[in-house]
Amino acid sequence: QLQLQESGPGLVKPSETLSLTCTVSGDSIISRSYYWGWIRQPPGKGLEWIGSIHYSGSTYYNPSLKSRVTISVDTSNNQFSLKLSSVTAADTAVYYCARLEVVAVPSDYWGQGTLVTVSS
Amino acid sequence: QSALTQPPSASGSPGQSVTISCTGTSSDVGGYNYVSWYQQHPGKAPKLMIYEVSKRPSGVPDRFSGSKSGNTASLTVSGLQAEDEADYYCNSYAGSNTGVFGGGTKLTVL
Repeated sequence: QLQLQESGPGLVKPSETLSLTCTVSGDSIISRSYYWGWIRQPPGKGLEWIGSIHYSGSTYYNPSLKSRVTISVDTSNNQFSLKLSSVTAADTAVYYCARLEVVAVPSDYWGQGTLVTVSS
Repeated sequence: QSALTQPPSASGSPGQSVTISCTGTSSDVGGYNYVSWYQQHPGKAPKLMIYEVSKRPSGVPDRFSGSKSGNTASLTVSGLQAEDEADYYCNSYAGSNTGVFGGGTKLTVL
C-alpha cells in the first residue's frame, strides 16, 4: 500500500524559506511514470496546486508561485522536497504531498498533511 | 489562471440527489478531459472521488458520478447519506503543465 508522509518544521519566520520533505513508502518513486507534487490549503480555505516533479527531475510550478518555489527529488531515499522562499503570513497553510498521474492533477494517494505557520 | 467556480454550499436530504457544478473556461475544464473531484472531511486529506471527468476509483460508491458539458463539470451524489457531508473540490488540468482547483463546495445532508 503506497503511503506518503510529509515532514518539516511547523513554524517558519517571515522572509525565511519553508522546507518540507515527502517520504514515499510502499513503492519506488521511479517505478512508474507518475508525477509527485505539493498542494496547500490555508486554514478555512480551498486547495492550491503548488507544483510537481517527475522522477527524471522535470519540474512544473504554479505560475503564481514559480519565482519562490523549488521542488526536487531524491530517488535514493524515495523522497521529494519543497522549498518556498521569502514566506509571509499568507503562506500559512496545511501542506500536502501527493501522487499525480497527470502533471497538475492529484490522484488517489495523498499524505496526511502538515501545518506550517509563518510567524515571528 | 483563475480558480474554477463552485457554489459555496449545497444541501439535500438523505436519499435525495444533489449536483455540484464546477465552471471554468475553454482553457481548462472545456479544453481537457482531466477533471477530478475530491471529498474532504474536516481535518482530513482530500480523497479522490472522480477522475477524468467521469471515472470512479476503486472503492468509491457508484452513487458518485461525474459529467461535463462545455466549460462546466458536475458531480452528482445520488442516494445521499450522512457520511457524504463534506467539502468537495474540483480540479482541472489547465494546459502548459499547470492545474487549477475550484473554491470548494460544502455539502450538507439535512
